[in-house]
Amino acid sequence: GAGVSQTPSNKVTEKGKYVELRCDPISGHTALYWYRQSLGQGPEFLIYFQGTGAADDSGLPNDRFFAVRPEGSVSTLKIQRTERGDSAVYLCASSSNGGMRDEQFFGPGTRLTVL
Amino acid sequence: KQEVTQIPAALSVPEGENLVLNCSFTDSAIYNLQWFRQDPGKGLTSLLLIQSSQREQTSGRLNASLDKSSGRSTLYIAASQPGDSATYLCAVIGATNKLIFGTGTLLAVQP
Repeated sequence: GAGVSQTPSNKVTEKGKYVELRCDPISGHTALYWYRQSLGQGPEFLIYFQGTGAADDSGLPNDRFFAVRPEGSVSTLKIQRTERGDSAVYLCASSSNGGMRDEQFFGPGTRLTVL
Repeated sequence: KQEVTQIPAALSVPEGENLVLNCSFTDSAIYNLQWFRQDPGKGLTSLLLIQSSQREQTSGRLNASLDKSSGRSTLYIAASQPGDSATYLCAVIGATNKLIFGTGTLLAVQP
């Protein structure tokens, strides 16, 4: 596609439920990043994929969070047993090769609200 | 640990003014710095990317400078317009290959 797309744009769930957030990177981009943005804050890094493998998952807050990218394109961020503190905008970005000098292009985000 | 600070947190100016947004970072070992724009409820739009070897980048009415040794960047917006109203975020990337963001400057340009 022309840009990074994310679905759904909004997700409302109840505390304790499981959610999946999807990211479609720019076609041909090998690197994919997930960030989380809380209200009034800048985005914070969660996880980075190079191809199919997670190159760095040091930003995942705890073991309720998991992400996959099985075919090296689409990625899914999975959150188990959601808590109210998980409410945030989840942003996905991709870059052409994952190099530190490569520009990252962001999607529109998924706004997650946990009631 | 890299920390990014943006000053001011909020800024309101009349239409037509030139303005400067500031970004500072604590670790000068960066590969590049990006400025982003974020409209309410939206994702991030990349405005300018400055490589560590560069001093500035320009796009239209926007000019971003980088002084890596002092850990500072500025975003200059010329002849501001109401459509420029948004949150402006700066972010740096270093050897950890993750963007580290500031908390942003909320800009309001009054018609």
